[in-house]
Amino acid sequence: SYELTQPSSVSVSPGQTARITCSGDVLAKKYGRWFQQKPGQAPVLVIYKDSERPSGIPERFSGSSSGTAVTLTISGAQVDDEADYYCYSAPDNNPVVFGGGTKLTVL
Amino acid sequence: QLQLQESGPGLVKPSETLSLTCTVSGGSISSSYYWGWIRQPPGKGLEWIGSIYYSGSAYYNPSLKSRVTISVDSSKNHFSLKLSSVTAADTAVYSCAGFCSGGLCLDYWGQGALVTVSS
Repeated sequence: SYELTQPSSVSVSPGQTARITCSGDVLAKKYGRWFQQKPGQAPVLVIYKDSERPSGIPERFSGSSSGTAVTLTISGAQVDDEADYYCYSAPDNNPVVFGGGTKLTVL
Repeated sequence: QLQLQESGPGLVKPSETLSLTCTVSGGSISSSYYWGWIRQPPGKGLEWIGSIYYSGSAYYNPSLKSRVTISVDSSKNHFSLKLSSVTAADTAVYSCAGFCSGGLCLDYWGQGALVTVSS
């Protein structure tokens, strides 16, 4: 079965660039997505189709893909960006696969 | 823009059946999406439970398959989850989601609902 691996935590100072990489064989064939989750709130999709940003998501959020990995980059991270970030892949007619989540700390 | 909302009991007794419904608004459930249930036990990672197309074609996590049924009701624009013979290990936040077929458009997620299994 497919698995996705991402770091459990990333820490940056405000204004710095945060990068979270997610790796797994499924990403070589299927798009990666990222969502942000804050305590008690619904997940918010921040990247889909590896690098597309939904409307309303700040431009400091970007995504990239290379081989079996996708990377979420937050350029000029803000305190409000502190959250858990999950990568996942949802190929049609196949299981949805999630990474373990990354806790981003901005302080 | 789609909105999804979970509903159902927040407390279920051991050995009984957990039942949740996800109501889709802002669009038709009979669209280029497929619909899924995901859960997250306290302090643990996300687990995909299963997914269904509006046609009714469903597929499940093999580890839960013997206890799970997901169904869709197009007339009510909602889909449902039933998980039988629950134990304390099934205590989790249960979320519904709409996944864009082909991955070329946005996915949408519900808020999530905590279901506790306890007598």
